[in-house]
Amino acid sequence: DIVMTQSPDSLALSLGERATINCKSSQSLLHNSNNKHYLGWFQQKPGQPPKLLIYWASTRQSGVPDRFSGSGSGTDFNISIRSLQPEDVAVYYCHQYYTTPHTFGQGTKLEIK
Amino acid sequence: QVQLVQSGAEVREPGASVRVSCKASGNSLTTYYDHWVRQAPGQGFEWMGMINPGGSSTTYAQKFQARLTMTRDTSTDTLYLDLDNLRSDDAALYYCARASGGEYRALDYWGQGTLVTVSS
Repeated sequence: DIVMTQSPDSLALSLGERATINCKSSQSLLHNSNNKHYLGWFQQKPGQPPKLLIYWASTRQSGVPDRFSGSGSGTDFNISIRSLQPEDVAVYYCHQYYTTPHTFGQGTKLEIK
Repeated sequence: QVQLVQSGAEVREPGASVRVSCKASGNSLTTYYDHWVRQAPGQGFEWMGMINPGGSSTTYAQKFQARLTMTRDTSTDTLYLDLDNLRSDDAALYYCARASGGEYRALDYWGQGTLVTVSS
């Protein structure tokens, strides 16, 4: 199975700051057939199901604010949240859909200082 | 816009079976796969398996192979998860999720979750 490791486990920043969460996969998520990375990012708020923010490592899901951006390649990826807002408090997860079983990072809890 | 509505919370004793349903509405997609993912209390996500639109093909995570069945009623676009021989560590929030666009795609639509409690 592909192991997904996120860092840090938690993050506390001030409003307006930039948050960056990292995700490392145990093998490349690049599919040579279409040159896409099979990596997504979810946001989960308490009591809610996950919400897809980013897919193909860097494509923003429709309706997601442009302060969220994803980047990376091969085995190393990150999501950045520019100018933190109160509503960004959540747990963020990376997810690989390159192969089965799909696997997820352990989550990064983002809080406001 | 696709909406996935799951059945209500279930309580089962160890060794029993549970069925969770997930009804889709607003679907105009012809290419998608449906998945089941669970989340133990305060924990991360565990992928259980996926099923194709016609219900003819399933792929399960190896750890669930012996006791998991995923099916679909295409007439009502309702997805079912059956998990047998429940153990205490099966207690979790079970989510259905749809990956629009095909087999290996991001999970872009999620149900609200169904809490399964396993207790004697």
